[in-house]
Amino acid sequence: DADVTQTPRNRITKTGKRIMLECSQTKGHDRMYWYRQDPGLGLRLIYYSFDVKDINKGEISDGYSVSRQAQAKFSLSLESAIPNQTALYFCATSESGTGSRIYGYTFGSGTRLTVV
Amino acid sequence: TQLLEQSPQFLSIQEGENLTVYCNSSSVFSSLQWYRQEPGEGPVLLVTVVTGGEVKKLKRLTFQFGDARKDSSLHITAAQPGDTGLYLCAGNSGSARQLTFGSGTQLTVLP
Repeated sequence: DADVTQTPRNRITKTGKRIMLECSQTKGHDRMYWYRQDPGLGLRLIYYSFDVKDINKGEISDGYSVSRQAQAKFSLSLESAIPNQTALYFCATSESGTGSRIYGYTFGSGTRLTVV
Repeated sequence: TQLLEQSPQFLSIQEGENLTVYCNSSSVFSSLQWYRQEPGEGPVLLVTVVTGGEVKKLKRLTFQFGDARKDSSLHITAAQPGDTGLYLCAGNSGSARQLTFGSGTQLTVLP
């Protein structure tokens, strides 16, 4: 099994629908992240969580919400999907760092979301 | 806002050639990481550099962190088709507790 599992791998949904993307990990990492990837724009941070009770907005959180159900599970919701949320979504995990140290991320294989 | 600029955006070369890709910023980074991403998959960590001037080698890949910790380069010697992919740099600066990613260099190595 993969260290970081994302479901579904692909999803087509209609404008206005609510959709949830799920992420689970077996790394035992405290930190989890949601990014979206668009061509030419790289990876942009949506939300991140450093433990179950510590959830923070990233640079593009508008239109998204998250839930950290357990250390191993971090889900991303689009309450009312719109076409410009069509993108590749990645979940990632990392060990907790000390001071300014950030450890490498382990990414899932991504969810390709299309909003029509 | 931390900004990481990668160049070139696209690079297509023949097998056996050498190449260098760059990652630049106006911010000082505490650490900088390089990832490679293949189609249909998430990025995979290649290396982390933390000290200004640091050089790390991973087989045919050589990574360098600038003396001022504002830039980094990735040099590939004798590129192979298996090196094809999107190369991303990522770093954190100041009090940031998460990584900022560059937009990547799409490398294609032709056989």
